[in-house]
Amino acid sequence: DTAVSQTPKYLVTQMGNDKSIKCEQNLGHDTMYWYKQDSKKFLKIMFSYNNKELIINETVPNRFSPKSPDKAHLNLHINSLELGDSAVYFCASRRRDRGGEQTQYFGPGTRLLVL
Amino acid sequence: QKEVEQDPGPLSVPEGAIVSLNCTYSNSAFQYFMWYRQYSRKGPELLMYTYSSGNKEDGRFTAQVDKSSKYISLFIRDSQPSDSATYLCAMSGTGTYKYIFGTGTRLKVLA
Repeated sequence: DTAVSQTPKYLVTQMGNDKSIKCEQNLGHDTMYWYKQDSKKFLKIMFSYNNKELIINETVPNRFSPKSPDKAHLNLHINSLELGDSAVYFCASRRRDRGGEQTQYFGPGTRLLVL
Repeated sequence: QKEVEQDPGPLSVPEGAIVSLNCTYSNSAFQYFMWYRQYSRKGPELLMYTYSSGNKEDGRFTAQVDKSSKYISLFIRDSQPSDSATYLCAMSGTGTYKYIFGTGTRLKVLA
């Protein structure tokens, strides 16, 4: 079974449109993330939720709005899409065990292309 | 200066070579160090995790952390063409949910 899944895998849309990306994890983790990866492979954190509570909100335009209906899901809605939003968006979830080990597991990514 | 620096490569090596990948960092609060492998058009996959200083070995992979020098390394022994990918280092501190990633090093292992 897929641990962290994202839909859709590919998204091609016009400037100005509104779109959503969905993420689900079946690992039982409490913390989930959205990252943006640009063409140079740099992974930049956007948001993080812990137990449905927003805990990280980086300097992201407010056209981007995350929503976590429950611990296993984290969605990303983007309003008024711009050319610069074209990138690969990764969802991740974080494991933290009692020993303190904390590691992230990534989804397969959503390739967004804004025309 | 970026918090985490990583040479983007590409690094090309012949099959069977020992590969050394490195990251330097500036934040002495980092305690958790990870290496991810990312194949083209795939998500990052966790390879190695190390807490604080020291070495960790898993098969052909060895991760080293030198906190005094703020320097981490990933060694790949007997490299294979299937190791060709981008390798990303990532770091985090205690009590934080935030991870800082390097820019990734693109590795090509030539058959």
